[in-house]
Amino acid sequence: QVQLVQSGAEVKKPGASVKVSCKPSGYTFTSHEINWVRQATGQGLEWMGWMNPNSDDTGYAQKFQGRVTMTRNTSINTAYMELSNLRSEDTAVYYCARGRHAGATDFWGQGTLVTVSS
Amino acid sequence: EIVMTQSPATLAVSPGERATLSCRASQSVSSNLAWYQQKPGQAPRLLIYGASTRATGIPARFSGSGSGTEFTLTISSVLSEDFAVYYCQQYNNWRTFGQGTKVEIK
Repeated sequence: QVQLVQSGAEVKKPGASVKVSCKPSGYTFTSHEINWVRQATGQGLEWMGWMNPNSDDTGYAQKFQGRVTMTRNTSINTAYMELSNLRSEDTAVYYCARGRHAGATDFWGQGTLVTVSS
Repeated sequence: EIVMTQSPATLAVSPGERATLSCRASQSVSSNLAWYQQKPGQAPRLLIYGASTRATGIPARFSGSGSGTEFTLTISSVLSEDFAVYYCQQYNNWRTFGQGTKVEIK
């Protein structure tokens, strides 16, 4: 069955960077894009960007341009999202999700809580 | 950026009642619209894609309609497990989510 397993919770200081991993299983890693979505506590969903694991193409929401980098390692079937210059407003649960049906996302990781605090 | 606006913010319904949720796009997204359900502490679940196609395993009481800028998610007869937050998402031009509609028990 399809699963996306993410790395564990992180605590970072303002100005630092965080790198979250996402390891899908149950399908061919390079056949579907990976999206990253975040959710602050009690807030809605915010799309951050996508990555094509086959081509390494990426697309980032304008809000995160210059601060986010999405990469992958096809030898271990793992996708990564790195967010730099963290501030308190970046405290949120970060999800990876498999792209399907031309842009919807059908399977999601369990989420990774990133806390930014001095 | 395409802005997605959902209404109402909160919808109170009794079990067995019909629930109608709306989503409006700031510009046309054609039929590139998905609906998700999210329960507390869980990741979102895909319900509908292509504005009206149910995802795998989604019960028939969930239906989607609309195109262009106006979309609707209907739950024909709400069950207890349907109380949750629902989000629409456009994927016609990058992707953006609506702010969500909370369906709560009346």
